[in-house]
Amino acid sequence: GAVVSQHPSWVICKSGTSVKIECRSLDFQATTMFWYRQFPKQSLMLMATSNEGSKATYEQGVEKDKFLINHASLTLSTLTVTSAHPEDSSFYICSARATPVKTGAYGYTFGSGTRLTVV
Amino acid sequence: DAKTTQPPSMDCAEGRAANLPCNHSTISGNEYVYWYRQIHSQGPQYIIHGLKNNETNEMASLIITEDRKSSTLILPHATLRDTAVYYCIVSGTSYGKLTFGQGTILTVHP
Repeated sequence: GAVVSQHPSWVICKSGTSVKIECRSLDFQATTMFWYRQFPKQSLMLMATSNEGSKATYEQGVEKDKFLINHASLTLSTLTVTSAHPEDSSFYICSARATPVKTGAYGYTFGSGTRLTVV
Repeated sequence: DAKTTQPPSMDCAEGRAANLPCNHSTISGNEYVYWYRQIHSQGPQYIIHGLKNNETNEMASLIITEDRKSSTLILPHATLRDTAVYYCIVSGTSYGKLTFGQGTILTVHP
């Protein structure tokens, strides 16, 4: 159980275009999802927390107008990289937390990641 | 969330136990210790988590010191496929986000 599906697994886009990445919880409902970015040989950096039906909470330094997050249902969150530039090339990973959250329960499942290359 | 400190890299011989330490001296009473690993170009994989008691599952064992300021992840019989970056994360449940440190690169060699 607790499977998170992330699509696409990789994408190449031209500079200036927008790219949408989907994160779906397949067998559980996720009121909270998290988006991370990872550059080569670096750790995962949390970008934002999305809550179903409300605005996402962005970490300091992350441009909310550039990285649009929509969490319209309990099983789907999307990250749209708008007006992508080569410096946005990175590995994007989503994570979902099942609801209801039990104290200390294993509730964090990660997607397989999306490799974005902007040319 | 409390910060964690891990050695940047470790080696282990195949078939031997891999013991990965983690220091979390500022952990608070309601924070759990989580361990994840990431194999190259994949999403992190859950391994185990605990609060104060030692835990064991089919993948690993987690030993948490009595004062909860440090813990050790034990892979009892490491295989080549266990080569990965291992992350020790401390997090409470009130907000819920997981903040990743640099982790430990574990290399299992024949």
